[in-house]
Amino acid sequence: AQKVTQAQTEISVVEKEDVTLDCVYETRDTTYYLFWYKQPPSGELVFLIRRNSFDEQNEISGRYSWNFQKSTSSFNFTITASQVVDSAVYFCALYTGANSKLTFGKGITLSVRP
Amino acid sequence: GAGVSQSPSNKVTEKGKDVELRCDPISGHTALYWYRQSLGQGLEFLIYFQGNSAPDKSGLPSDRFSAERTGGSVSTLTIQRTQQEDSAVYLCASSLEWYSADTQYFGPGTRLTVL
Repeated sequence: AQKVTQAQTEISVVEKEDVTLDCVYETRDTTYYLFWYKQPPSGELVFLIRRNSFDEQNEISGRYSWNFQKSTSSFNFTITASQVVDSAVYFCALYTGANSKLTFGKGITLSVRP
Repeated sequence: GAGVSQSPSNKVTEKGKDVELRCDPISGHTALYWYRQSLGQGLEFLIYFQGNSAPDKSGLPSDRFSAERTGGSVSTLTIQRTQQEDSAVYLCASSLEWYSADTQYFGPGTRLTVL
């Protein structure tokens, strides 16, 4: 069975602080994909990143970076120099071909205060 | 280009009535997915379509829920005899193909409130 755990439920930071959102996943499949989505107050899920299980390279996109570690089954997301516009709910999700669906974590509510 | 669209954006209905939720995927996307987001359950998968076919309906919460897709495009999620526990945001997503873990792009959702 697939499972995604986002142990942090709510995080509050002051603007310009760095913040890391944790994601731990479980799957028996050797081929799988990990995603992060952002859900701002408007409600629409916005795709941020997709990573397959064979690519453990970390990725940086502007202020966003992702650390994928198969040894600990983690796919953590760091926002550097956070901004108020980063305030949203962030979801980590797992996809395996076995059932062609995304399994989501419960989400982390990030509040960035000015 | 246009993203995934859903209608209506909000639906308020009385317990026991039937409702239809519509999803228009991104043009050219062969795979379409329905999810439900509620406070207690988070984001849960309901059903997906490969073209017009739905190989796995096990995510549908009860036999009051059904979905269809026609012409490889628009999909309708129907809930019969709605119950208060059906209140949630229903999200639709589409991807280019279903078998290659293509990124799923989500619509804005339909907020369903059952009184």
